[in-house]
Amino acid sequence: DSGVTQTPKHLITATGQRVTLRCSPRSGDLSVYWYQQSLDQGLQFLIQYYNGEERAKGNILERFSAQQFPDLHSELNLSSLELGDSALYFCASSVEGLSETQYFGPGTRLLVL
Amino acid sequence: AQKITQTQPGMFVQEKEAVTLDCTYDTSDPSYGLFWYKQPSSGEMIFLIYQGSYDQQNATEGRYSLNFQKARKSANLVISASQLGDSAMYFCAMREAAGGGADGLTFGKGTHLIIQP
Repeated sequence: DSGVTQTPKHLITATGQRVTLRCSPRSGDLSVYWYQQSLDQGLQFLIQYYNGEERAKGNILERFSAQQFPDLHSELNLSSLELGDSALYFCASSVEGLSETQYFGPGTRLLVL
Repeated sequence: AQKITQTQPGMFVQEKEAVTLDCTYDTSDPSYGLFWYKQPSSGEMIFLIYQGSYDQQNATEGRYSLNFQKARKSANLVISASQLGDSAMYFCAMREAAGGGADGLTFGKGTHLIIQP
């Protein structure tokens, strides 16, 4: 158990809908990262938050947004969903620093029908 | 160009044999970190080992070691005495300092390792 929790574990929804994925980082970790794993694109970094502020953006679509709350949990919002958004979404957390390991949550498996 | 290249899509290895999973990387940043993760069929991502670009010695963690050849930009994972439970996808990843430590990990496409009894 990495100490990172994600809910829900599975999500099935329809095209055009909006969903919210939730992540709670390990105790003491201020950085939260979101990743998408799909068969087409592999594992891709989406966005990072550090202590409530957006820190870095990766290949995140404009239809996707995230935020980190004062209690450090984070939410990833996916809107106007398309079939291609079906993927495994991971949250990871770490303390700050280049060498610091990112510990991954169990992921949320999203299926868009 | 790909930043992380894993050239072995799949590997079959006999139980108890040593395994080397290849990873080459591409960066012009002198400061970077290299990570290996394991993803079993259940889907979670499990951290295995880390190597910093300035580390003088190869990293080791139990049965895992990292064969770091900086000049060749290679960071191969070695698993000694493989076990059936080692069957999984293995991902090599890199984090560069140019982002101020802020950027996420860049992953390779992974190697699917199957350990045969």
